[in-house]
Amino acid sequence: AQSVTQLGSHVSVSEGALVLLRCNYSSSVPPYLFWYVQYPNQGLQLLLKYTSAATLVKGINGFEAEFKKSETSFHLTKPSAHMSDAAEYFCAVTGGFKTIFGAGTRLFVKA
Amino acid sequence: DTAVSQTPKYLVTQMGNDKSIKCEQNLGHDTMYWYKQDSKKFLKIMFSYNNKELIINETVPNRFSPKSPDKAHLNLHINSLELGDSAVYFCASSLTGTGGEETQYFGPGTRLLVL
Repeated sequence: AQSVTQLGSHVSVSEGALVLLRCNYSSSVPPYLFWYVQYPNQGLQLLLKYTSAATLVKGINGFEAEFKKSETSFHLTKPSAHMSDAAEYFCAVTGGFKTIFGAGTRLFVKA
Repeated sequence: DTAVSQTPKYLVTQMGNDKSIKCEQNLGHDTMYWYKQDSKKFLKIMFSYNNKELIINETVPNRFSPKSPDKAHLNLHINSLELGDSAVYFCASSLTGTGGEETQYFGPGTRLLVL
């Protein structure tokens, strides 16, 4: 069985500060891991994904995530937050036909 | 061009009514999904279809009946609506559905409110 746990339902940062959103996974097979972003009143869209090609994955809008097998983690980071980054972020793991989403982390960006 | 579209965007209805939500994708994908997102933003898979065949049915009440007339369309019919059905329903698609690394493409969501 696969699962993901996102630590922190809400994260608040100041504009220009580092963004760190945490995700830990559980998988009995090598996982495929994703970060999706949901802006208010919109559907989810892919930020980045890990497919075993490289442990450091770069995504859109300056986000990146590092796959750490020893820590079963796939944390999302961005060096400098922008107001437009305020959104809900979902970590997800996929196996076969099914994708399991984490509970989401709401990112607030303060001016 | 909208890749995954849903209609309607908003749906307000009374308890006990029957309603349908439609989804269409123009990406040429083989697999489509329905997800339910509750008020706490938790996203849960309901159904998945691959080339018009039901692949995933996640312990959803049988009041919910998906239907895929062709691989570009996946509709969701809900009978005897209940208060607890109020949520945002997302349609999504992926290329084959069999590759774990595939991105899912989401529609804008249908916001259902049952009064």
